[in-house]
Amino acid sequence: DTAVSQTPKYLVTQMGNDKSIKCEQNLGHDTMYWYKQDSKKFLKIMFSYNNKELIINETVPNRFSPKSPDKAHLNLHINSLELGDSAVYFCASSPGGNLYGYTFGSGTRLTVV
Amino acid sequence: AQSVAQPEDQVNVAEGNPLTVKCTYSVSGNPYLFWYVQYPNRGLQFLLKYITGDNLVKGSYGFEAEFNKSQTSFHLKKPSALVSDSALYFCAVSPAGGGYNKLIFGAGTRLAVHP
Repeated sequence: DTAVSQTPKYLVTQMGNDKSIKCEQNLGHDTMYWYKQDSKKFLKIMFSYNNKELIINETVPNRFSPKSPDKAHLNLHINSLELGDSAVYFCASSPGGNLYGYTFGSGTRLTVV
Repeated sequence: AQSVAQPEDQVNVAEGNPLTVKCTYSVSGNPYLFWYVQYPNRGLQFLLKYITGDNLVKGSYGFEAEFNKSQTSFHLKKPSALVSDSALYFCAVSPAGGGYNKLIFGAGTRLAVHP
């Protein structure tokens, strides 16, 4: 049973396209996150939702829009993709707060050509 | 602002030797500290955490870490390295207490264990 699952695992698309990445967790956690890992492996938080409510919104271009239909799902939609958006995007979840650490998905490698 | 520094891009160690991966942090108040490991083409896996109490924390796969408040450090250690420990290791910090503070990750340290 996969705890945090992301789809797709790989995504290759052309500049200017719109794409979505989906994330689902079956851990019963209240909080979910999106992180971006760049080519140098640096991890930066993008968004966080707690029980469908946006609680962290870092300085991210507004082409990126998260959506949480319920607390088990957090999707990431990206409009007008740019070359610089190429990265690995990780979804994570936690029971809530910062005491427990996060459980990560296996990542979505996005390549914009 | 909170931050994490992992001063070494790469650590090389021979199999069977002890290993140390360094981490220092900056946070307002008391910290919650974490170590994660990332194998190639995989997500991050939790290794261990320090929340409060004993400064020496034991985690998965024989790893441990020592919290040193005066030096603001949380170095990861293992008494005897295995080739299978070769991976990318991330230290992370968050301010202690309630709320929804985010984890801030260091830049990562690549551990290479040679046979």
